Amino acid sequence: QQPVQSPQAVILREGEDAVINCSSSKALYSVHWYRQKHGEAPVFLMILLKGGEQKGHDKISASFNEKKQQSSLYLTASQLSYSGTYFCGTSSGGYNKLIFGAGTRLAVHP
Amino acid sequence: EAGVTQSPTHLIKTRGQQATLRCSPISGHTSVYWYQQALGLGLQFLLWYDEGEERNRGNFPPRFSGRQFPNYSSELNVNALELEDSALYLCASSLLGETYGYTFGSGTRLTVV
Repeated sequence: QQPVQSPQAVILREGEDAVINCSSSKALYSVHWYRQKHGEAPVFLMILLKGGEQKGHDKISASFNEKKQQSSLYLTASQLSYSGTYFCGTSSGGYNKLIFGAGTRLAVHP
Repeated sequence: EAGVTQSPTHLIKTRGQQATLRCSPISGHTSVYWYQQALGLGLQFLLWYDEGEERNRGNFPPRFSGRQFPNYSSELNVNALELEDSALYLCASSLLGETYGYTFGSGTRLTVV
């Protein structure tokens, strides 16, 4: 079943923060986050495994709440280069397929 | 290191024809995934191959099929094309296992007229 992402779209000024949420009705083993710029392929950002860990690089981090079957992506001090559509992909384990949410469109303006 | 390559970049077919899309994974990656991205929509899972075997299949009709070759490259075949098959078809590859992210190719834009 497709995970639900919220919000559907976000508009930010450079330097502002944003949070994108991803929730599933199924028990999750892993959550992936990808960013896709217009006309380009999705690019892998990070993967979180069950255990409630938090990951991050640069000013983008994510958390995974296994009990709530939710993950959140945190974008801090946004830059123009952060613009794009963010997808979460979830897997229930057992080498199961990755199912993607509908995406969150993020636009960062000067 | 070469990324995931897909060919052709664009493909125009007539309704009822067959389309063949190709994908070469990153060297060393054994898993290949196919996704359909219709205009403005998210990524819909089509097929997953690993070591030449079909591991999982999405909710698509049987006219969507594919295979993986001994060199781990893959092709996606779509028979009896319908107008609603028009979409960007993305291929991704990864190492087998839950801890690895996917590397996507740039896709094949299929247009059915």
